[in-house]
Amino acid sequence: DAKTTQPPSMDCAEGRAANLPCNHSTISGNEYVYWYRQIHSQGPQYIIHGLKNNETNEMASLIITEDRKSSTLILPHATLRDTAVYYCIVRVGDKAAGNKLTFGGGTRVLVKP
Amino acid sequence: DAGVIQSPRHEVTEMGQEVTLRCKPISGHDYLFWYRQTMMRGLELLIYFNNNVPIDDSGMPEDRFSAKMPNASFSTLKIQPSEPRDSAVYFCASSSPWEQYFGPGTRLTVT
Repeated sequence: DAKTTQPPSMDCAEGRAANLPCNHSTISGNEYVYWYRQIHSQGPQYIIHGLKNNETNEMASLIITEDRKSSTLILPHATLRDTAVYYCIVRVGDKAAGNKLTFGGGTRVLVKP
Repeated sequence: DAGVIQSPRHEVTEMGQEVTLRCKPISGHDYLFWYRQTMMRGLELLIYFNNNVPIDDSGMPEDRFSAKMPNASFSTLKIQPSEPRDSAVYFCASSSPWEQYFGPGTRLTVT
């Protein structure tokens, strides 16, 4: 699976959009971009995933650049409960390959009042 | 659905003792994963199963660690004998084709 690079930490203001970048310059054509987050003392939680099109769900939006070498997770209106470590993961999407995830260091996001 | 269930939530044991961690995956999920999280090494995949069969155990640190999945609704991770460096939070996760659902974890302390 391709390696990802994320900033170690970032702050954002409550109520504002939080934009979390991820670089995955070695991504392959059959690799998906996944985002998970881990709130303190809890297990990681799935947020969203995509291949090449932008995706949106009730939690967040995922913007993938046209060359797929980077992506941005957008939390549209950050709340204090969004304070967590956010992990960007790239993995092969073929179900036959299994759902194995390799977690990096992630971005520690602190939402401030 | 109750989600992934792990027990115990906390375990404190002495070095040399056997430790067994338990996991009940979400019904219908055909993948099950065991992870370990420490401050030093982050979140590491230890082993995962597909339809109760171990697929990849390359993350299991050494022979003291073993995992089983006797049926689709139960898995165990055993450490025998335990050592202080095994202290960590152990997560179990089960998976639909796209999303992994994690349990609350077991915090293991080996003294």
